[in-house]
Amino acid sequence: DAGVTQSPTHLIKTRGQQVTLRCSPKSGHDTVSWYQQALGQGPQFIFQYYEEEERQRGNFPDRFSGHQFPNYSSELNVNALLLGDSALYLCASSLTVNTEAFFGQGTRLTVV
Amino acid sequence: AQSVTQLDSQVPVFEEAPVELRCNYSSSVSVYLFWYVQYPNQGLQLLLKYLSGSTLVKGINGFEAEFNKSQTSFHLRKPSVHISDTAEYFCAVRGRSGSARQLTFGSGTQLTVLP
Repeated sequence: DAGVTQSPTHLIKTRGQQVTLRCSPKSGHDTVSWYQQALGQGPQFIFQYYEEEERQRGNFPDRFSGHQFPNYSSELNVNALLLGDSALYLCASSLTVNTEAFFGQGTRLTVV
Repeated sequence: AQSVTQLDSQVPVFEEAPVELRCNYSSSVSVYLFWYVQYPNQGLQLLLKYLSGSTLVKGINGFEAEFNKSQTSFHLRKPSVHISDTAEYFCAVRGRSGSARQLTFGSGTQLTVLP
């Protein structure tokens, strides 16, 4: 079992650009959540996808959007990047919305 | 709404000594409670969880935690730490139903085990 896999592991973007991060959930999991972890802080919930729809959303602007595909994989898109978007982005998957979340290794995004 | 407070940002301790990492939470709904560990440049790994039943829960790597509803605390303990326990530890809560089911994390406690 490959667990939760995220790609890429690192990337550098310029302020104002757009970025797409990808997540493949653990085998059999149908729910994907995204978290932003700024340096020295705990992860902050961005949103959760289940049955290809956004089910819950944290306190993040509309520049942050997502998608879930029929195979349960997910993308996180961030438009008009700001320096403050630099962070580790974590994907977590679970069997349903109510069960234990398993985390991927994260994508380290640096905005310059 | 939920919030989590981890009372110590850094905890240095000598190898083979006991350790306690403190966590307090606030929530308007019933919650599940979790402790995660994060090693450098890695994601989060679940150490243990409290869902219901016995308030003392045991997890991986010899860690345990006790849920205290009256004090809204969920402190993590280990009787004897190893160098390999050096990592960042996060306490988290999740509502049991409705719109509060996302994980809310504390700001983390860096545990450093000294030789």
